[in-house]
Amino acid sequence: QVQLVQSGAEVVKPGASVKVACKASGYNFNSFVIYWVRQAPGERLEWMGWIHAGNGDTEFSAIFQKRMTITTDTSATTVYMQLNGLRSEDSAVYYCARDGRRFRENWLDTWGQGTLVTVSS
Amino acid sequence: DIHMTQSPSSVSASVGDRVNITCRASQPITIWLAWYQQRPGKSPKVLIYPGPHLQSGVPSRFIGSGSGTDFTLTIDSVQPEDFATYFCQQAHSFPLTFGQGTRLDLK
Repeated sequence: QVQLVQSGAEVVKPGASVKVACKASGYNFNSFVIYWVRQAPGERLEWMGWIHAGNGDTEFSAIFQKRMTITTDTSATTVYMQLNGLRSEDSAVYYCARDGRRFRENWLDTWGQGTLVTVSS
Repeated sequence: DIHMTQSPSSVSASVGDRVNITCRASQPITIWLAWYQQRPGKSPKVLIYPGPHLQSGVPSRFIGSGSGTDFTLTIDSVQPEDFATYFCQQAHSFPLTFGQGTRLDLK
């Protein structure tokens, strides 16, 4: 079955970077877009960006564009999200999720289990 | 950005009740809306995708309706496993945006 498995929780210091992995399985990795979405305590879900795993196309929210990168390792069917210059308000659960269709329809049919990132000195 | 507003923010219901959750977009999004369920400590799960269509494996008591700016998720005969938080998401344009969530709890 389609599955996304994320790397474990991280505690990082303010100003540092975090890199979260999302391992995909159960489908043709190269055919789908992967999104990154975060959920801070008490806040609504926030879309961060996406990557097409096959051709590497990306798009980012303007909020994150300057300090976020998304990359893929196609041989490992893994997507990576790196966020730089972390501050306390970046403490959240970060999710990867797959688009529901091959030809990107912008809805999310399979989600990873989430990665808790805590920014603390 | 398209702002999504859900109402109510929380609703109490008994097993067997019908529940309606609404989602309003700040500008027209035609059919491009999805609904998700999130149980505590779990990832969101898609219920309804743009059309609206029922996602495979989701019980038929979940019904999506609406187009343009106003949408409704109806749970027809709430079951114990349905007590959770529900989110809408517009899939019309970037940045993708979500509603603030509606918590469904047991009356």
